[in-house]
Amino acid sequence: KAGVTQTPRYLIKTRGQQVTLSCSPISGHRSVSWYQQTPGQGLQFLFEYFSETQRNKGNFPGRFSGRQFSNSRSEMNVSTLELGDSALYLCASRLFFQETQYFGPGTRLLVL
Amino acid sequence: GDSVTQMEGPVTLSEEAFLTINCTYTATGYPSLFWYVQYPGEGLQLLLKATKADDKGSNKGFEATYRKETTSFHLEKGSVQVSDSAVYFCALTTLTGNQFYFGTGTSLTVIP
Repeated sequence: KAGVTQTPRYLIKTRGQQVTLSCSPISGHRSVSWYQQTPGQGLQFLFEYFSETQRNKGNFPGRFSGRQFSNSRSEMNVSTLELGDSALYLCASRLFFQETQYFGPGTRLLVL
Repeated sequence: GDSVTQMEGPVTLSEEAFLTINCTYTATGYPSLFWYVQYPGEGLQLLLKATKADDKGSNKGFEATYRKETTSFHLEKGSVQVSDSAVYFCALTTLTGNQFYFGTGTSLTVIP
């Protein structure tokens, strides 16, 4: 079974731009979560989607948004990029009634 | 709120040395506990997990026992290899929260 895939793997943007990251979960997994990983803050939860609905949200500004499609693929959008948004963005999927999350390789975003 | 406190790193060991990485947690309810490993340039991989008190998770020579009385889930390996060099994350989740809480990560370097 294929794992979680994320595209693109690397991205360079400038301040003020917006970016969209994509995540395809493991087949059959309908829950998708997003995390931001930085050296200073570690792994921080952004949000979780299930059946196209956001079920939980971390403590991030409204510039960070997401959505999930009917095929469970998810996108995350960051508008008005700031230098501090430079990070590794990780997506994880799981079967809804199981706890174990399976992570993708991440998208490394650099904001200049 | 729920949280995980993990041993600070970095940790440097010689090959075949014994490894312990400490992890303690605070949680309401009955969490499940996990260890994830992140190799350079990659996402997180599930290493092992335990879902109830006194459970022992094990994988690839690594072990951790869910200790409710000490709220701990320490990771151990009897004989580390160079290939074990990575960052290790302790995490917990309670299904009611739909969210993973991660420790700050412990970087392990094993030298030949």
